[in-house]
Amino acid sequence: DIQMTQSPSTLSASVGDRVTITCRASQSLNAWLAWYQQKLGKAPKLLIYKVSNLKSGVPSRFSGSQSGTEFTLTISGLQPDDFATYYCQQYTSYSSLTFGGGTKVEI
Amino acid sequence: EEQLVESGGGLVQPGGSLRLSCAASGFNFHKYWMTWFRQAPGKGPEWVANIKEDGSEKNYADSVKGRFTISRENAKNSLSLQMNSLRVDDTAVYYCATVTGFSDDFWGQGTLVTVSS
Repeated sequence: DIQMTQSPSTLSASVGDRVTITCRASQSLNAWLAWYQQKLGKAPKLLIYKVSNLKSGVPSRFSGSQSGTEFTLTISGLQPDDFATYYCQQYTSYSSLTFGGGTKVEI
Repeated sequence: EEQLVESGGGLVQPGGSLRLSCAASGFNFHKYWMTWFRQAPGKGPEWVANIKEDGSEKNYADSVKGRFTISRENAKNSLSLQMNSLRVDDTAVYYCATVTGFSDDFWGQGTLVTVSS
């Protein structure tokens, strides 16, 4: 099974900060990597699919990138609504969909 | 607007059974693989099972294999998860979702399953 190692687990930041969250995969994902945002009591919400494609309606301050098996979510100019938990997810195969451990972005 | 609504959660004793349902609307249900995820209290989401558009292929996480059964009824835009031999560590919010790898990614609001004596 593909393992996703996400860091940091918690991130303290302020409004306006540039924030970076990283996920490292145990093997190649062929770009099948998504980022989700989750707020307390709600379902995860897709932000980015296929490494760097922004879902319609998601603010452009969110971006995704890749270097080998390391994937990055960047929030450029953190807003109050962005304080939440973020997860990466790999979906190279329908027989295994794996999430990273999550990053809680807090004040 | 795409909508997924889960139901059937509740409190059940260890070893018991529960059947979850998911009603889909606002999109072509029969054209999507459908997936069940769960999220234990304070933990991240975990993939549970998924099923191909026509029901001909099903996949399960090792943690539920042999105990859970996923099924669908396209004529009724309905997805189900039959959960048997429930354990305390099956306690979680269960979500149905479409996960395509692209932007058409929809999730329900979740239904809580609590396994406790």
